Amino acid sequence: DTAVSQTPKYLVTQMGNDKSIKCEQNLGHDTMYWYKQDSKKFLKIMFSYNNKELIINETVPNRFSPKSPDKAHLNLHINSLELGDSAVYFCASSQSGGQKDGYTFGSGTRLTVV
Amino acid sequence: GESVGLHLPTLSVQEGDNSIINCAYSNSASDYFIWYKQESGKGPQFIIDIRSNMDKRQGQRVTVLLNKTVKHLSLQIAATQPGDSAVYFCADQGGGSYIPTFGRGTSLIVHP
Repeated sequence: DTAVSQTPKYLVTQMGNDKSIKCEQNLGHDTMYWYKQDSKKFLKIMFSYNNKELIINETVPNRFSPKSPDKAHLNLHINSLELGDSAVYFCASSQSGGQKDGYTFGSGTRLTVV
Repeated sequence: GESVGLHLPTLSVQEGDNSIINCAYSNSASDYFIWYKQESGKGPQFIIDIRSNMDKRQGQRVTVLLNKTVKHLSLQIAATQPGDSAVYFCADQGGGSYIPTFGRGTSLIVHP
């Protein structure tokens, strides 16, 4: 079983559209994250969320919003997509803030905005 | 971890050589450090971690060294194999934050 799974793996869409990326973890972790990786491989935290607290990176546009129906899922909604949103988006999860065995990442969603 | 420059640093080695990948971090309050390996088309994968009360930790073919004085972290890979070819990231966290800061990454290329 895949520990952290995200769908879709590839997403091509036009500017201005609204899209969602889904993420599920079966590790029983208490915290989930969304990261954006640009073309130069830089990983940037977007959101961190557990059932108590949502932490938003203040540099993330409010067109991006996380939605968590339960502790095993953290979906990413993106409104009014822009060309600059093209990147690979990674979901991750951790237990106890990640200070034990780090973070488990999904395989990524490559978003291309045309 | 800290971003250095606009281009992904690259380390090329021959199969069987030892590899050393370096990383600098800037947060003096960081107390937990992790190395990740990212293969093409995949997400980052945990390799090894170290806490600030240690200066060295060994795993299978990998060793992480931590120098808190100069805020420097290194990953040593012994007898590097073609399967080790990937991008390697360091991450640090601490100071009350449970969100890691990732470095820029280093691309390791292993030639058979």
